[in-house]
Amino acid sequence: AQSVTQLDSQVPVFEEAPVELRCNYSSSVSVYLFWYVQYPNQGLQLLLKYLSGSTLVKGINGFEAEFNKSQTSFHLRKPSVHISDTAEYFCAVRGFGNEKLTFGTGTRLTIIP
Amino acid sequence: GAGVSQSPSNKVTEKGKDVELRCDPISGHTALYWYRQRLGQGLEFLIYFQGNSAPDKSGLPSDRFSAERTGESVSTLTIQRTQQEDSAVYLCASSPTSGGINEQYFGPGTRLTVT
Repeated sequence: AQSVTQLDSQVPVFEEAPVELRCNYSSSVSVYLFWYVQYPNQGLQLLLKYLSGSTLVKGINGFEAEFNKSQTSFHLRKPSVHISDTAEYFCAVRGFGNEKLTFGTGTRLTIIP
Repeated sequence: GAGVSQSPSNKVTEKGKDVELRCDPISGHTALYWYRQRLGQGLEFLIYFQGNSAPDKSGLPSDRFSAERTGESVSTLTIQRTQQEDSAVYLCASSPTSGGINEQYFGPGTRLTVT
């Protein structure tokens, strides 16, 4: 079984400042890792994913995430945020051989002008 | 091309009534998933369909919940004798095939409110 922890339920950030959204997971098997974004009144959209290979993964809209196996983390970062990044961000894991995505509780990112 | 669509977008029902939620996956996607998103919580897996294989129902919270899928197309999620704790957004996703490397594409969800 897998579990995901997103410790920060809300993160306020000034526009053009950097941001890091934290994600930690636990699993008894190897995993694939994902970050999804949910803009207001819209469905979930994939930001980026880690399947294998390089531990630094780049996604859409200037976001990137780094897989750290020893710390079981997959934190999401952006060097300079924009008003349009206001959304809820979900970290998710999928165990090898498992079809289910297990999601964290989400982090609401609010950009302050 | 068209994405995953769900209907209705919003549903308000009285406690004890049955409801049906519909999902139209992306054409050609063989895998289909249902998730539930309660307020302030992450998404919970409910059920998974892959082609003609028996569905994985391990996430269904009670026997009041059931789902069907016609071939590799439309799926309906049925909740019988709804309870207030069933209030949530129900999300459907589809994928070209099963397997971890395949992205799940999500629909906009159906917001269910049980009064």
